[in-house]
Amino acid sequence: DQQVKQNSPSLSVQEGRISILNCDYTNSMFDYFLWYKKYPAEGPTFLISISSIKDKNEDGRFTVFLNKSAKHLSLHIVPSQPGDSAVYFCAASTGGSQGNLIFGKGTKLSVKP
Amino acid sequence: EAQVTQNPRYLITVTGKKLTVTCSQNMNHEYMSWYRQDPGLGLRQIYYSMNVEVTDKGDVPEGYKVSRKEKRNFPLILESPSPNQTSLYFCASSLIRGKKGEKLFFGSGTQLSVL
Repeated sequence: DQQVKQNSPSLSVQEGRISILNCDYTNSMFDYFLWYKKYPAEGPTFLISISSIKDKNEDGRFTVFLNKSAKHLSLHIVPSQPGDSAVYFCAASTGGSQGNLIFGKGTKLSVKP
Repeated sequence: EAQVTQNPRYLITVTGKKLTVTCSQNMNHEYMSWYRQDPGLGLRQIYYSMNVEVTDKGDVPEGYKVSRKEKRNFPLILESPSPNQTSLYFCASSLIRGKKGEKLFFGSGTQLSVL
């Protein structure tokens, strides 16, 4: 059973507009959520995270929103730039000594000039 | 420069021929992990290690072995590779596993093809 779901395999956005990437989870024990960005031929790199005690975390053009009641989080990129074109992975963790990151399948974002 | 180094970047082999993919990190991280990425399946964890001589299975450990004799190295061993192990492999590390939200640092990946 997939605990972290990214239901949109791809997303295309015009440069300068907002990109919204969505992620749903099923495990209510998850208490930390992270977004990773991956370019072709490179490993994923950490982008932004949010603790379950918050509902929003912002870092420059990137904002992550968490809705615990809906078990849903989203990553907003404003304004989108062509260099943002990449695969974005949502990941969740229960923390603790047994916790490991569970990744979604990823969403490929294409930002068109 | 802080990094996770995997070798080789590309590897083509034949069924049954033992191979090792090396992984090394220079950040003194305790936690290391191996993932495979397959189309439509995302990143799936193979094995992880909480510290030297401490390893455990992830979600898809069948057909793989690991060892953690030194803190910096975490090799992935395929004793008898099969075509279904053709995949893109990533090694990752983090400072401490268990600390909430501790972010992973990934290597650049190893593209393995088993014929």
